[in-house]
Amino acid sequence: AQRVTQPEKLLSVFKGAPVELKCNYSYSGSPELFWYVQYSRQRLQLLLRHISRESIKGFTADLNKGETSFHLKKPFAQEEDSAMYYCALSPNSGYALNFGKGTSLLVTP
Amino acid sequence: DAGITQSPRHKVTETGTPVTLRCHQTENHRYMYWYRQDPGHGLRLIHYSYGVKDTDKGEVSDGYSVSRSKTEDFLLTLESATSSQTSVYFCAIKILGIPEAFFGQGTRLTVV
Repeated sequence: AQRVTQPEKLLSVFKGAPVELKCNYSYSGSPELFWYVQYSRQRLQLLLRHISRESIKGFTADLNKGETSFHLKKPFAQEEDSAMYYCALSPNSGYALNFGKGTSLLVTP
Repeated sequence: DAGITQSPRHKVTETGTPVTLRCHQTENHRYMYWYRQDPGHGLRLIHYSYGVKDTDKGEVSDGYSVSRSKTEDFLLTLESATSSQTSVYFCAIKILGIPEAFFGQGTRLTVV
C-alpha cells in the first residue's frame, strides 16, 4: 500500500526564517514524488518533482530513500509563501497521485 | 492550466437531489481524475478514467458515479446528494510521459 504522511497540519514561521515541511512516504517500489502548493482558494499548482531536482521559488526537496522522506525546504521564508502545501506520490506516470493531508504554512512579518 | 475547465464553479443543492459536475479538457489527454478536498483529509481520489468508457473507483467512491463518453469530458454524478458530500471537488489530468497531474480550478459544492 502507498501512503503519504505530512505530520504537521499547521506551520507558522517568521519572515526570513528557514522553513521545512515534512513528508514521509511508504511504498515498496521507486515512486515519483511531488510537492504541490495551493494559494487561497485556487487550484493546486506543481511546485517541485523529485526527478527534476530543481529549485522553484527558492524551495528545494531532496528524496531520501533510506528514510523514505521528501521534505520541502526554504532557507528564508517570505510572506507570499503562506499557502497550503501537499506532498504527493505516484507509482508511475499512468497512476493517480496519492496525497498527504497537507500542511498549512503561515509566514508572519 | 492545461486546458482544464470545471463547471459549475459553485453550487448549492438540497439533500437528496442529483448533482452532476463537469470536467472538460481541450487536449484529448487519456488520464482524468476526480478528487475531493476536505480539511484534515487533503485530497482523496473518487474515480478515475484511462479513456472513453474506461473508468474505475478510487478511495472514496461510495455515493458517486462517473461517465466518460467523450475524451474531453469526465462527469461526476452524485445520485442523491448528502451533507457529507459538501466539499471542494477537483478534476485533474495527466499527460502521457509527464509524471505530474494538472488540476482544474475546483467546484465548491454545498449540500444543505
